[in-house]
Amino acid sequence: QQQVKQSPQSLIVQKGGISIINCAYENTAFDYFPWYQQFPGKGPALLIAIRPDVSEKKEGRFTISFNKSAKQFSLHIMDSQPGDSATYFCAAECGRNRDDKIIFGKGTRLHILP
Amino acid sequence: NAGVTQTPKFRVLKTGQSMTLLCAQDMNHEYMYWYRQDPGMGLRLIHYSVGEGTTAKGEVPDGYNVSRLKKQNFLLGLESAAPSQTSVYFCASSPPTGTQYFGPGTRLLVL
Repeated sequence: QQQVKQSPQSLIVQKGGISIINCAYENTAFDYFPWYQQFPGKGPALLIAIRPDVSEKKEGRFTISFNKSAKQFSLHIMDSQPGDSATYFCAAECGRNRDDKIIFGKGTRLHILP
Repeated sequence: NAGVTQTPKFRVLKTGQSMTLLCAQDMNHEYMYWYRQDPGMGLRLIHYSVGEGTTAKGEVPDGYNVSRLKKQNFLLGLESAAPSQTSVYFCASSPPTGTQYFGPGTRLLVL
């Protein structure tokens, strides 16, 4: 019930194309869904996040789509660029109780072809 | 602000040796975390702390110990290193609500 399932494991997209990464969760108590971006040799960094009271959040070329009934959310990268090549992690979090901790997906390695 | 820093950046240990990884944050965050990252496994939580003097086990705590004597520091200890602990270790910190901020990582090789 605490898992976050992420797919695909790896993704290759042509420059200018749309990159789509999907995540699914089971625990309906999750109420915060961030996406992290990690470049080789660096730590993950927050890219964009959404709460379940909205179905979509857009920041520049990055959009999160959220389907509460299906317990799924996805990251869309429009006009993908070689600089977007990185590993992306979705995550889910259950409020901010004293014992709260974030659950990460296993990551998607994205490669944008120039 | 330096954010989250980790020491050392890289270390090689022999099986059975001990070592301590240091994490420091200057953002006055209450929460701190230690993760390990292995190929195909994503980020797995080892231990975390919700405040100075408190620690709790995460998903993969065996073989590790932690201490949070000061709010800004979170130490991860390996008492007797094993080859299975070869990994990249990330520390993170966060306020009670909001983003986790990660350090640059420590690459550990246990021979």
